[in-house]
Amino acid sequence: AQRVTQPEKLLSVFKGAPVELKCNYSYSGSPELFWYVQYSRQRLQLLLRHISRESIKGFTADLNKGETSFHLKKPFAQEEDSAMYYCALTGGSTDKLIFGTGTRLQVFP
Amino acid sequence: NAGVTQTPKFQVLKTGQSMTLQCAQDMNHNSMYWYRQDPGMGLRLIYYSASEGTTDKGEVPNGYNVSRLNKREFSLRLESAAPSQTSVYFCASNWDRGNTEAFFGQGTRLTVV
Repeated sequence: AQRVTQPEKLLSVFKGAPVELKCNYSYSGSPELFWYVQYSRQRLQLLLRHISRESIKGFTADLNKGETSFHLKKPFAQEEDSAMYYCALTGGSTDKLIFGTGTRLQVFP
Repeated sequence: NAGVTQTPKFQVLKTGQSMTLQCAQDMNHNSMYWYRQDPGMGLRLIYYSASEGTTDKGEVPNGYNVSRLNKREFSLRLESAAPSQTSVYFCASNWDRGNTEAFFGQGTRLTVV
């Protein structure tokens, strides 16, 4: 069964500190993995996807198939990064997009 | 561009009442989804529709029904609302299976008293 696990409900850091939001998944196949972000009073939106191997707003995420992880990282957190972050997975022909429980990132000045 | 539009934005129901949440997208997407968002539970998939004319259950379908009226519209119905259905509901759509970005509506905050 597909499952996405985000072990941290809340992550608090100070501005300029490194950030790592953890995401682990279970899927019997080759999944497509995403990070979505929800800023206060805004819609949920795509932050990045693993296949693009891109860096958005300074965030990167590497797919580790051996550890079935897709952790989100940023070397220097900014106050405007404060938001709810969701890891998500889809795969194969099912079309289902499954989300984790989310991690709230708080960046203090 | 409107993107994904949900109505209503807010709703209060009494236990046992019924209602339909409406969702429409103007991006010609094939797939549409309904999620509920609860504190500590994240986003849980209620139902999804991979294409016009098809619907499938997600993780938490009990107490809900859906209709994919046409390619644009995907409605969620609560036949007999219960307090456990108090939540924020999100509709989303994307182009097709695989690595495609999903676009979300602004959400419907539903309270069942």
